[in-house]
Amino acid sequence: KAGVTQTPRYLIKTRGQQVTLSCSPISGHRSVSWYQQTPGQGLQFLFEYFSETQRNKGNFPGRFSGRQFSNSRSEMNVSTLELGDSALYLCASSPDTRSYNEQFFGPGTRLTVL
Amino acid sequence: QQQVKQSPQSLIVQKGGISIINCAYENTAFDYFPWYQQFPGKGPALLIAIRPDVSEKKEGRFTISFNKSAKQFSLHIMDSQPGDSATYFCAASTGNQFYFGTGTSLTVIP
Repeated sequence: KAGVTQTPRYLIKTRGQQVTLSCSPISGHRSVSWYQQTPGQGLQFLFEYFSETQRNKGNFPGRFSGRQFSNSRSEMNVSTLELGDSALYLCASSPDTRSYNEQFFGPGTRLTVL
Repeated sequence: QQQVKQSPQSLIVQKGGISIINCAYENTAFDYFPWYQQFPGKGPALLIAIRPDVSEKKEGRFTISFNKSAKQFSLHIMDSQPGDSATYFCAASTGNQFYFGTGTSLTVIP
């Protein structure tokens, strides 16, 4: 089975721009979660989608948004980029939200905001 | 507020030694406690996980010790190898919401 894929792997943007990141989960996985990883802060939960619905949301401003498509692929969008948004953005997929879930991570998208 | 507190931030161990990383949590609703290993340029990979109904789980050289009353759990890496050098994250979850520790950078010296 193919793993979680994320595109693009690297992005460089300038302040004020917006960006869209994409995640394709493992086949058959219906839950997709997004995390922001920065040095010293670890992984901060952004949001989780299941069957095209946002089920959980972390404490991030409204500039961070996401969506999930009927094929479980997910995108996250960050508008009005700030320097502090520079981070590794990780996507994780899980098979089912109603049982103990193992999360499988993609390689991440490294976003640099200049 | 950090839901899961992890220590130490960094750890240096001699080859063949034991690496120990500790985590503590407050929310008694957490019911799944995984450990992830992350190499540079890669996403975290599940290493080993435990449920709160057992006190220890061992997989090869990796052992989780779980103390429910103290709300603490730890990862022990026996016979540490240079290839174990990576960042380790503990996590705790309830439902499908995961909370991660801030990570421990492990370096195993040959």
